[in-house]
Amino acid sequence: NAGVTQTPKFRVLKTGQSMTLLCAQDMNHEYMYWYRQDPGMGLRLIHYSVGEGTTAKGEVPDGYNVSRLKKQNFLLGLESAAPSQTSVYFCASSYPRTVANEQFFGPGTRLTVL
Amino acid sequence: AQSVTQPDIHITVSEGASLELRCNYSYGATPYLFWYVQSPGQGLQLLLKYFSGDTLVQGIKGFEAEFKRSQSSFNLRKPSVHWSDAAEYFCAVGARSASGGSYIPTFGRGTSLIVHP
Repeated sequence: NAGVTQTPKFRVLKTGQSMTLLCAQDMNHEYMYWYRQDPGMGLRLIHYSVGEGTTAKGEVPDGYNVSRLKKQNFLLGLESAAPSQTSVYFCASSYPRTVANEQFFGPGTRLTVL
Repeated sequence: AQSVTQPDIHITVSEGASLELRCNYSYGATPYLFWYVQSPGQGLQLLLKYFSGDTLVQGIKGFEAEFKRSQSSFNLRKPSVHWSDAAEYFCAVGARSASGGSYIPTFGRGTSLIVHP
């Protein structure tokens, strides 16, 4: 099993450009999440999904959109990138039937917006 | 709403010394608690978790944590640190999502562990 994979690993954008980050998991997990990690801020939840076709806002959703058309994929979109969105983005998934809801993380995508 | 505080931004220890990383949480009900480790350039990996039962929890890589309800704490410990333990450590508390479904974790800001030879 590959676990949770993210593409791309690195990306540089100019202000105003758009892009989509792809997260894929092969563990048949119901829940998927997008976080951003900034120095001194820990992980902050952007959006999450509790199942195919459903999404919900997290702590810092502004400027991002998500889609969960297939159970195994969770896409994070930036419609008009801003320098404040320079960050490392992590995707995670979990199987909610496990009460403790342990999360499995991808390796991250490092995004720089100039 | 739930919250997690990791009071120490950086901790420096010598190899072979003992380690304790602090975590305090705020949550109105019985919490689900986690410790994750992040090696440089990597994603997060679960070290251990607590959701019921014995308050002393054993994890991978020789780590353990103790849940103390009276102190709202879930401190991570290791008796003898190895150089490979140098990493970022995150404490997290799980709370029910707005839909009332499963638990959505909230993370602390992390503690960076530096290990001197």
